[in-house]
Amino acid sequence: QVQLVESGGGVVQPGGSLRLSCAASGFSFSTYSMQWVRQAPGKGLDWVAVITYDGSKTYYADSVKGRFTISRDNSKNTLHLQMTSLRPEDTAVYFCAKDKGYGSGTYYTDWGQGTLVTVSS
Amino acid sequence: DIVMTQSPDSLAVSLGERATINCKSSQSVLYSSNKKNYLAWYQQKAGQPPKLLISWASTRESGVPDRFSGSGSGTDFTLTISSLQAEDVAVYYCQQFYSTPRITFGQGTRLEIK
Repeated sequence: QVQLVESGGGVVQPGGSLRLSCAASGFSFSTYSMQWVRQAPGKGLDWVAVITYDGSKTYYADSVKGRFTISRDNSKNTLHLQMTSLRPEDTAVYFCAKDKGYGSGTYYTDWGQGTLVTVSS
Repeated sequence: DIVMTQSPDSLAVSLGERATINCKSSQSVLYSSNKKNYLAWYQQKAGQPPKLLISWASTRESGVPDRFSGSGSGTDFTLTISSLQAEDVAVYYCQQFYSTPRITFGQGTRLEIK
């Protein structure tokens, strides 16, 4: 079955950087778009970024554009999110999610358990 | 961005009774060429990731109990749980994917047992 396992979260100071990873298994990773969605403590869900099946196109929420970079390694079935210039408002659980399709994003059929990123001095 | 507004924010329903959650989009999510509503519903239990319940406004995912149903079109949608079970306590979110890649979620509705 589909398994998505995030890693790389932790505590970082404002202005710092962090790289999240998501190890995927149980499906043909290279044929699906992948997404990052975040959830601030006690809050709702916010879309962060999407990458198409082949990595040729990426899209970002305005709140992270220019600071975050989504990438994928289809040879290693791994999704990444490079986060720089982190702000306290980036504090959240970050979920990687498998999209239904292969393009710019639809709905999410499977989710990882999430990794917590805390931005605090 | 399309704004998704759910109502109510929280809801308490007795076991075995019907629960109804509403979701309204700031613009239509019905794609005229294929007559599909680009809307999904998710369930998130405490400490867990969200789980997909319904796609295309009314298509129940495999394994989802048939007490869950989705309805609506255009800008107004409803998630109905016909007979509430204890395991249905969760926060429920609607999501539009009409304006992909700029996907947006509703703020969530917390469902509890009365």
